Amino acid sequence: DTGVSQDPRHKITKRGQNVTFRCDPISEHNRLYWYRQTLGQGPEFLTYFQNEAQLEKSRLLSDRFSAERPKGSFSTLEIQRTEQGDSAMYLCASSSGTSGETGELFFGEGSRLTVL
Amino acid sequence: RKEVEQDPGPFNVPEGATVAFNCTYSNSASQSFFWYRQDCRKEPKLLMSVYSSGNEDGRFTAQLNRASQYISLLIRDSKLSDSATYLCVVTIWGTYKYIFGTGTRLKVLA
Repeated sequence: DTGVSQDPRHKITKRGQNVTFRCDPISEHNRLYWYRQTLGQGPEFLTYFQNEAQLEKSRLLSDRFSAERPKGSFSTLEIQRTEQGDSAMYLCASSSGTSGETGELFFGEGSRLTVL
Repeated sequence: RKEVEQDPGPFNVPEGATVAFNCTYSNSASQSFFWYRQDCRKEPKLLMSVYSSGNEDGRFTAQLNRASQYISLLIRDSKLSDSATYLCVVTIWGTYKYIFGTGTRLKVLA
């Protein structure tokens, strides 16, 4: 399967713990995105990378959230000191494109976080 | 005000009906426009891009009105398999950031 893969698919944690999600994009895609989605809502933008550079981070995102894409391939999203409000589906997506182009986003199946 | 707004629905329509969804966006610097489809408990997938002149893909027609800042999706001859959430997506000029609307739920009834 050469699509976007995310790990773990499900994570249950206690409030205050740290969690990390991993995303492996489609191999030739230079852009990688993280979104959060809760029931009945559309995906909410968190951050995105072009290669290894993090180009934008949502202003709504607290400093407990951090994302990296160290070699321009896979990415990790870490949430520190989790809160119950962090419970959501975390979606990763990737796309390819040259400067000025916005192509199709390909999503992974998501990592579902439940904070108890 | 949300950057991309949609009527959440649900829209319940009989098989064979024609149904239309609208989406409005607030940023006049919006550059590219898309409709994505999301099935229950699945990831979103691209349905179609929306071009300035309007475009059609089989039973689906998308239109863009830049002056009024809205996008529409028309589905003709609805099928049971069209039941899903339809997400309006906009990108902003000068970025590669995709902004999603809340989505509109469609249920096609037998």
